Order: sequence, then C-alpha cells, then structure tokens
Amino acid sequence: DAGVIQSPRHEVTEMGQEVTLRCKPISGHDYLFWYRQTMMRGLELLIYFNNNVPIDDSGMPEDRFSAKMPNASFSTLKIQPSEPRDSAVYFCASSFSSGGYNEQFFGPGTRLTVL
Amino acid sequence: KNEVEQSPQNLTAQEGEFITINCSYSVGISALHWLQQHPGGGIVSLFMLSSGKKKHGRLIATINIQEKHSSLHITASHPRDSAVYICAVRRGATNKLIFGTGTLLAVQP
Repeated sequence: DAGVIQSPRHEVTEMGQEVTLRCKPISGHDYLFWYRQTMMRGLELLIYFNNNVPIDDSGMPEDRFSAKMPNASFSTLKIQPSEPRDSAVYFCASSFSSGGYNEQFFGPGTRLTVL
Repeated sequence: KNEVEQSPQNLTAQEGEFITINCSYSVGISALHWLQQHPGGGIVSLFMLSSGKKKHGRLIATINIQEKHSSLHITASHPRDSAVYICAVRRGATNKLIFGTGTLLAVQP
C-alpha cells in the first residue's frame, strides 16, 4: 500500500485566497484525522471522521475552516479565506478499528505558507 | 498546565548511550502513543500501549497507569535515532489524541 497520500506537499498562497488540502487514506481504514502542527502549539487535532462521518470537529479553529469526506478514499480540508496565522504543516492520518484502538498512519504533510 | 508533559525538551547524547524520554499526563486515558518525527517532517507511530511494556528492536516503551507516566527508552543509541519524539494520549472512548510538545533528540557520533 502507498500509505496515506496528501497533496499538495507545499502550498504558498496570499492572504484571502482559498486553500484546499487533499488526503487519500490507506485503503480499508475507517478513521481519518486532520492535524495541524506549528512551532507554537505543536500537533493539534482539527477534526476526525469515522466511516466518512465527522465525529469531532472541536479542534477546527473557526468558520474559515471546513472539512469533508465524500467517500472512504478522499477527504479535503479547506480554508477560506486564508490568513497568515494559518501557516503550518497540515497532516492527515488514518487508522483501522478492529474492535479496538489502533495506531494511526500519518501522511507526509502539507506545508502551507500564507503571505 | 498542559495535559501531557514531556521531559526533557531537548536531549543530546553520544552514540551508544542509553536514552530515556519521559511523558506524564494528568487525565484518564485509554491508550498512550509514542511517535517519531524525523527532520524531514514525516511522523511514524512507534508504540501504542495501555499497560505494561512493549519492545521493538532497540526501543522500549513502558507505562505506569497508576502514576500516569510513560517512558521511552532507546538502547545503544545511533545518530539515525535523532528525531523529535512525541507522546500522545487517547482519552476514554474517543479516538482523539492529545499531544505532548515533543522531545528533540540529537545523537552525536
């Protein structure tokens, strides 16, 4: 398996522009997580899905952020409008629940810079 | 106070040394994860444990539920072990992870 795939790997945009980050989880995994990592705050969970349904979005910073999972093999995280403070590395991770908790497999991340 | 605290924040060791990284947490948990993040940025899950001890190669992770404490040990450290090691806890019946701030380890040859 190719692992968790994220695109783009790097994104540079200007303040006010819409940004869309994409994630393809590992086939067969039923959980998908979006994380943000900054120097100041470390890793933070933004939102996670189970079987394509959002379960906990309490980490989403504000209404400018939205996430969707239209099917089991694709998810997007959208920021509209983007602001410089959104600059961070955004990770997607997936896991498989076989009647319990399992390790999460992380994608390579998308480094977002908002000018 | 953070719910997950790691120590030390930075650690420099000589190749071959035995290394210990500590993680303390203040909440009830169902599992604890140790993650490794290399300079390139990729994150790899090392261990997930809810009791006792696990070993994988030169890495050993232990957890004491009563004391709310976990340790990650690296035996015979090597420069390729240089990375950020992150502790994360899972609370209750949720899949939500709460992360520590990480320990930056540098192993010098």
